[in-house]
Amino acid sequence: DADVTQTPRNRITKTGKRIMLECSQTKGHDRMYWYRQDPGLGLRLIYYSFDVKDINKGEISDGYSVSRQAQAKFSLSLESAIPNQTALYFCATSDLQGRDVHFGDGTRLSIL
Amino acid sequence: EDQVTQSPEALRLQEGESSSLNCSYTVSGLRGLFWYRQDPGKGPEFLFTLYSAGEEKEKERLKATLTKKESFLHITAPKPEDSATYLCAVQASGTYKYIFGTGTRLKVLA
Repeated sequence: DADVTQTPRNRITKTGKRIMLECSQTKGHDRMYWYRQDPGLGLRLIYYSFDVKDINKGEISDGYSVSRQAQAKFSLSLESAIPNQTALYFCATSDLQGRDVHFGDGTRLSIL
Repeated sequence: EDQVTQSPEALRLQEGESSSLNCSYTVSGLRGLFWYRQDPGKGPEFLFTLYSAGEEKEKERLKATLTKKESFLHITAPKPEDSATYLCAVQASGTYKYIFGTGTRLKVLA
């Protein structure tokens, strides 16, 4: 089984819909992250969480929200999806030093 | 502003033709530099972490080196299975966040 599991793997939806992307991990890491990847822009940090009670905005958090339901679960929500949120979304975990990093296989999200 | 630039954007090599990928960075204090491999439809897979100038790490046909301004990923006698996108990221001192480059797409032809 994968260390970091993302669901769904693919999603097509319409503008204005609420969407939730889910991430679960078996690494036992406290730190979890959500990134989006766009062609030519690389990976950009949306939100990160250092533990269940500690959630922080990344560089592109507008239009997104997150929930850390447990140490192993970190979900990303788009309250009202818009087409420029079409991207590949990755969840990642790390150890306390941020050096042992593991990524999920991503969710490809298309907003029409 | 902290920044990571990778070059070239794309590289095509014949099998066995060695080459190097570059990652230039500007950061207020380097906590670590990371190399990842990303295959289509997959998340980035960790390859190396380098912490200080002069450090080198090797894994099979790959060797990563670090100076105060850049890192190189040397690929010796590549094989078609080395085809992937290689990502570089830096972690600045005082933060646990990563800054990623846009990657180098490597294609190795048989």
